[in-house]
This record gives sequence, structure tokens and C-alpha cells, in this order.
Amino acid sequence: EEHLVETGGGLMQPGGSLRLSCAPSGFSVSNNYMNWVRQAPGKGLEWVSIINRDGSTYYADSVKGRFTFSRDNSRNTLYLQMNSLRAEDTAVYYCARDGPPGLGERRWAFDIWGPGTMVNVSS
Amino acid sequence: QSALTQPASVSGSPGQSITISCTGTSSDVGGYSLVSWYQRHPGKAPKLIIFEVIRRPSGVSNRFSGSKSGNTASLTISGLQADDEADYYCSSYAGSGTYVVFGGGTKLTVL
Repeated sequence: EEHLVETGGGLMQPGGSLRLSCAPSGFSVSNNYMNWVRQAPGKGLEWVSIINRDGSTYYADSVKGRFTFSRDNSRNTLYLQMNSLRAEDTAVYYCARDGPPGLGERRWAFDIWGPGTMVNVSS
Repeated sequence: QSALTQPASVSGSPGQSITISCTGTSSDVGGYSLVSWYQRHPGKAPKLIIFEVIRRPSGVSNRFSGSKSGNTASLTISGLQADDEADYYCSSYAGSGTYVVFGGGTKLTVL
């Protein structure tokens, strides 16, 4: 069975850094388009970033320049390095796969989600 | 404020059909056939139920169907069941630069 698990969330002060990890089971990160999506308390879902099969990345304007999405193919693990954290980054962060897997193009839909990890940025 | 507009709540009785709308612009919903819908039960991760406007992932009931007209996408759930009570979110590709936008979510109550 295919699933995802995120780790690394916690309480951080504004301006601090945190690294989230996402480890899939049942499929390879290098063969898929992978995303981070977040949900702030009481708010809707917000797309954060994607890492493409070729390793290139795109970011939402709200995190561009502060967050870095990377992957380690040998560990089959994804990472979201979050720097210069702000209170508005407080959210549950979900790792999600673009899918269902098809003929190679991104669907910009998310067929597998992890349970999420909470990031709380507060002084 | 979310980029896509959904009604805050809808309701229906078991066996009935309901439709949830998702209104965007020509830069997102109207410009691409890349609208998705998600079902989310409390405390759970979202579940993809519709992608590419009308397609259902394997294992999703055919009681769920999607459509689009202009800048508005719609999710219809027929033969409502108690377990359909959940929050529903739409999303759309929005082109290079913005990439993905979501709706604010609609709470479905099965009466």
C-alpha cells in the first residue's frame, strides 16, 4: 500500500528554521511529482511547493526565498527546509503526491497525502 | 480569503443529490481542465475524489461526479449517504507562477 509520513514539526520562534521530512512507502520520490500543502488553523488549504521528477522546484509566493524543497533519492525521502519562519507559517504541513500517476504529465491533483505535521511559529 | 469561491455549507437528506460550486477566473478554473475535488473527514487527510474536472480515481464511488462551465466547476454527489458528511475542497491549476489555488471548503451536512 502506498502512503506518506511527515515528521519534523514543532514549536519555533519567529525567524527560526525547521526542516520537515516526508518518507513515502510503496513508491519512489524520484519517479513522482511531490508537493507540500499546508493548512493554517481555521483557514483553507494552501499549496506550498512542488518538486518535479527532474528535481526542479516551484514555490508559492508566500514562501519563495525562505523555503527549500529537496529530496534524497538514496533515502527515498523529501525535505522542506523552512527558514525565516513567520507567525503566518503556522499550519499543519502535508506532503502529497501528484496523481494518480499517468503518462508523465503533472495532474496538479494530489492523490496520496500524509497525516500532516504541525508547525507552530510563536514567541 | 481563498482564491476559489465555494459555499460555506450545503445540506441534503439521505438519497438526495447535492451540488457544490467552485468559482474562479479565466486564469485558473476557466483556463485549464485541471480542477480537482477533495473530501475531508474531521481529523483526516484530504482524499482525492475528482481530478481533471470529471475523472474519478480508482476506488471512488460513481456517486461523485464533476463538471465545469466557464469559470465555475461543480461537484455533484448523488444518493447521499451519512458517510458523505465531510468538508469538500476544490482546487485548480492556475498557471506558471501561482500554480495551484484552493477553495475555502464546503461543509456538507447529511440531514
